[in-house]
Amino acid sequence: AQKITQTQPGMFVQEKEAVTLDCTYDTSDPSYGLFWYKQPSSGEMIFLIYQGSYDQQNATEGRYSLNFQKARKSANLVISASQLGDSAMYFCAMRLNTGTASKLTFGTGTRLQVTL
Amino acid sequence: GAGVSQSPSNKVTEKGKDVELRCDPISGHTALYWYRQSLGQGLEFLIYFQGNSAPDKSGLPSDRFSAERTGGSVSTLTIQRTQQEDSAVYLCASSLARDRVPSSGNTIYFGEGSWLTVV
Repeated sequence: AQKITQTQPGMFVQEKEAVTLDCTYDTSDPSYGLFWYKQPSSGEMIFLIYQGSYDQQNATEGRYSLNFQKARKSANLVISASQLGDSAMYFCAMRLNTGTASKLTFGTGTRLQVTL
Repeated sequence: GAGVSQSPSNKVTEKGKDVELRCDPISGHTALYWYRQSLGQGLEFLIYFQGNSAPDKSGLPSDRFSAERTGGSVSTLTIQRTQQEDSAVYLCASSLARDRVPSSGNTIYFGEGSWLTVV
């Protein structure tokens, strides 16, 4: 069974600063994908970034980058140059790529508040 | 449409009534997921459909919950004899078949959710 752990229920960051949101995972499967989603107060789940377990390089998407440390089973999200609009809940999730069916397992989320 | 479409966006129902929630995935996506999120909580997996394979129903909380997917596209989540604890937002997501997608494109997209309130 897979498990995702986000140990930071809430984080504050000043505008224009960088922030790291922690995520660790646990699985014995060798093939999996890691996702980060943003959920603003309006409720929609917005896909941010994806990292495959066999990807050699850390994923980047604009101001988002994923610090993937496979041996430590961590997939931290780094947001550079924070903006007020980044204030939201952030969820880390994992999906196995083996087996006949595979659900996306979510962490409990981190609420990020960007301040002036 | 271009994204995952869910309806209704909001539903208020009386305790004991049945409700149906609809999800129209992104065209061409063969994998479809249902999740539930109670107020201030994380996402709880309900059910997963992948092509013609048997669905993974391991997350359905009780036999009052069921889901079907017709023609490999549209899915309906049905909740019978609704209870107040069923109040939540029900999120649907879809993706391409896992084994046909390179890792960089293996993305799962969510709809805007159906907000269910049982009074």
